[in-house]
Amino acid sequence: QQQVKQSPQSLIVQKGGISIINCAYENTAFDYFPWYQQFPGKGPALLIAIRPDVSEKKEGRFTISFNKSAKQFSLHIMDSQPGDSATYFCAASLYGTTGFQKLVFGTGTRLLVSP
Amino acid sequence: EAQVTQNPRYLITVTGKKLTVTCSQNMNHEYMSWYRQDPGLGLRQIYYSMNVEVTDKGDVPEGYKVSRKEKRNFPLILESPSPNQTSLYFCASSLIMGSYEQYFGPGTRLTVT
Repeated sequence: QQQVKQSPQSLIVQKGGISIINCAYENTAFDYFPWYQQFPGKGPALLIAIRPDVSEKKEGRFTISFNKSAKQFSLHIMDSQPGDSATYFCAASLYGTTGFQKLVFGTGTRLLVSP
Repeated sequence: EAQVTQNPRYLITVTGKKLTVTCSQNMNHEYMSWYRQDPGLGLRQIYYSMNVEVTDKGDVPEGYKVSRKEKRNFPLILESPSPNQTSLYFCASSLIMGSYEQYFGPGTRLTVT
């Protein structure tokens, strides 16, 4: 129930196209849904996050769409650029049994934007 | 510059030889955590610390130890490494306990032969 399922595992998009990465969850107790971006040789970095009471959040070319009833959320990268080539992780935030808040990560999507 | 640092960045060792991966943050963050990243499995939490002298197990703690004697440091200890601990390890910190915004170090690639 604490899993977050992410797809696809890898994605190739042409420059200028739209990249779409999907995630699904089961546990309705998750209270925040962040996306992390990881470049080769670097640690993940927070990209954008959304609360479950919001259906969409946009920051520049990056948009999270959230469907609470379907328990799904997705990341859309508009006008994808070669510099967006990275691994993207969706995550879900949850209060653990000892009262703290933890992150559960998806399995990651490797995005390659071809020039 | 605000950052999380890890050392070493790369390590090749043999089964059973104790090792320590250091982690330090300069942001005065309370919460620190260790993750391992494996292909197809994403990031899985090993241990976390809510403050000095307060640590607890994450999802995959077997074979690992941690300590938090100072707020800025959170070393990961492998007392008797085994080949299944070959992985990419990340330390992370956040300002408040378990915030969804975590700051990650650059990673340590460990190979156990």
